[in-house]
Amino acid sequence: NAGVTQTPKFQVLKTGQSMTLQCAQDMNHNSMYWYRQDPGMGLRLIYYSASEGTTDKGEVPNGYNVSRLNKREFSLRLESAAPSQTSVYFCASSKGTANQPQHFGDGTRLSIL
Amino acid sequence: GENVEQHPSTLSVQEGDSAVIKCTYSDSASNYFPWYKQELGKRPQLIIDIRSNVGEKKDQRIAVTLNKTAKHFSLHITETQPEDSAVYFCAASESYTGFQKLVFGTGTRLLVSP
Repeated sequence: NAGVTQTPKFQVLKTGQSMTLQCAQDMNHNSMYWYRQDPGMGLRLIYYSASEGTTDKGEVPNGYNVSRLNKREFSLRLESAAPSQTSVYFCASSKGTANQPQHFGDGTRLSIL
Repeated sequence: GENVEQHPSTLSVQEGDSAVIKCTYSDSASNYFPWYKQELGKRPQLIIDIRSNVGEKKDQRIAVTLNKTAKHFSLHITETQPEDSAVYFCAASESYTGFQKLVFGTGTRLLVSP
C-alpha cells in the first residue's frame, strides 16, 4: 500500500517548456489536491478534484491546468513554465467525506531556469 | 476567504520542555483544524486534528485546543525530544460535501536541543 505516489521527484525545466506532474493514490480516495510550497509561505492550494470527473481552482491556479484521469490519478500541467513556478509541488488525497484528513505524497521539486 | 496566521515562526526549546504553537483563523464557518509535521525534505504528515464540536484533543505527548469564540487553536507538545524537531503547520477549512479546502499557516520551525 504505497499511499500517494508522485513522479518525478526532481525536474529542471527551461522557461517556456511544458511539463506534467503525475500523482496516483491507492487508498480509494474520492478527493485529490495539488499544492505548491514556497519558503516562508506554507502550502497553497492550486487545484482540487472533489470527486472523479470534477476539478476546481484553488488559491493560486494561474499558469496551471489539471486532469482527473480516473479515480486514482490526478495530474498537474504547466503549459509554459516560468521562473515564478519554481517550487515544491505536493499532491494529496482524502476520503472525500466530512472532516477526513488529507494524505500527502513525497513531493516534486521543480526548478525553472 | 479563510486566512490563517501562525506564531511563532521559530521556536527553540531544551529537551524535556514543553512547546506551544498558536494559530488564528478568520472564517467562522471553518470546522476542521489539522496539524502537520514536516521534516526536512519530507512530506507533511498529519499528527493530530480537531473538529469544531470538540474543545480539546490529546494523543500521548501532543494535544490541541480550540477556542471557536476567539477563533484560535493551539498545538501543545510536552516532554519534547530531539526527534520532535521539524516544521509544524496548522490549517483550517470549512468542510464541504466531499472535500475540504485547507488553508495553511506559514509554519513554525521547532528546534529541540539535547
